[in-house]
Amino acid sequence: GQQVMQIPQYQHVQEGEDFTTYCNSSTTLSNIQWYKQRPGGHPVFLIQLVKSGEVKKQKRLTFQFGEAKKNSSLHITATQTTDVGTYFCAGRRNDMRFGAGTRLTVKP
Amino acid sequence: EPEVTQTPSHQVTQMGQEVILRCVPISNHLYFYWYRQILGQKVEFLVSFYNNEISEKSEIFDDQFSVERPDGSNFTLKIRSTKLEDSAMYFCASSDPIVGTENYGYTFGSGTRLTVV
Repeated sequence: GQQVMQIPQYQHVQEGEDFTTYCNSSTTLSNIQWYKQRPGGHPVFLIQLVKSGEVKKQKRLTFQFGEAKKNSSLHITATQTTDVGTYFCAGRRNDMRFGAGTRLTVKP
Repeated sequence: EPEVTQTPSHQVTQMGQEVILRCVPISNHLYFYWYRQILGQKVEFLVSFYNNEISEKSEIFDDQFSVERPDGSNFTLKIRSTKLEDSAMYFCASSDPIVGTENYGYTFGSGTRLTVV
């Protein structure tokens, strides 16, 4: 079945350092979405990528979709304490399947 | 900003009992979903629902589970004969059909924490 793998599982950074999480699918995806879940909260939609090789930016966040539409990454430049949370990718082939998430902690 | 509303926020039930989790999706959305998240683990897809029928379901969504849209606003998940391992946070989500599900993410509710004892 469709699987979406995400690494790393945890990432602890010093405030100001960069952070990257990677997502890989066993199958070609029609699109990929990224969500952020704060501790105790619910997933909140960040962005959707649809096109092969697509790159989108939201302030300090850069999202990429691979050429083969099987992998994606989220990069945060100069992390801040407000970036704390778990970042999930979710890939769609038929239904939307979430990766396991990367839990980011930021030390001030 | 429109919200997906879920009730109750926390439900405690005895093993073997039936529970109904309720959701009010965003009013102009036509695609609805249930996901669950066991504490500290990933968000798992259960079922998607469109045009009054299930469009996709996962291997988790077996005969123990059912969904219904009893009226124009509510979307429910029923879990029959609950087991200890059903304890999880259950999230409802909806998405916007007007511009197509290709272009918009899902809006999640705040979840119902189900505890089976």
